[in-house]
Amino acid sequence: DVKVTQSSRYLVKRTGEKVFLECVQDMDHENMFWYRQDPGLGLRLIYFSYDVKMKEKGDIPEGYSVSREKKERFSLILESASTNQTSMYLCASSAQGGAEAFFGQGTRLTVV
Amino acid sequence: GEDVEQSLFLSVREGDSSVINCTYTDSSSTYLYWYKQEPGAGLQLLTYIFSNMDMKQDQRLTVLLNKKDKHLSLRIADTQTGDSAIYFCAERPLSGGYNKLIFGAGTRLAVHP
Repeated sequence: DVKVTQSSRYLVKRTGEKVFLECVQDMDHENMFWYRQDPGLGLRLIYFSYDVKMKEKGDIPEGYSVSREKKERFSLILESASTNQTSMYLCASSAQGGAEAFFGQGTRLTVV
Repeated sequence: GEDVEQSLFLSVREGDSSVINCTYTDSSSTYLYWYKQEPGAGLQLLTYIFSNMDMKQDQRLTVLLNKKDKHLSLRIADTQTGDSAIYFCAERPLSGGYNKLIFGAGTRLAVHP
């Protein structure tokens, strides 16, 4: 079974804090993705990575950065958290050329 | 551009069939997907269809693809209370390169007795 694991289910952070969201996959997938999910908007792509140390901006990268130092781990960084970054964050992975993308259980982040 | 649209809410009676509809704009899409999200959980891949297929059936699930109209539907036969969830339609455009998916806003399916 493919497993994508996000380090936290729930996080509460203060405005201005630096926040790290971690994601690990165990299937040796090349591609990893960070989405945010907001009611009525579906999932929007923040960043993705197709190889170690490689990253590409998605549709809403502003206020975020990412790090992929190892193939199995993809981190999302909020440099200075703001209240409009309160959301559900979902990590996903897929094999290069594969049809399926697999998701983690999500991290619900609240910025106060 | 790339856009996926689906209605936001569907209510059905237990035992009836549910049909969730989706339209997409990118005619180059290679795969189209249905994901299910239960409350508080991540997304679970239900099924997907390759763009050169018209139909795919998997137990209670039937996916229909009308490529000319860019319309995708998911039919759930004999809908049960455990099917209550949000269902997301997604497309994978050819230009996506690295399996990038474009999602709709999700349809919340409510199953009542």
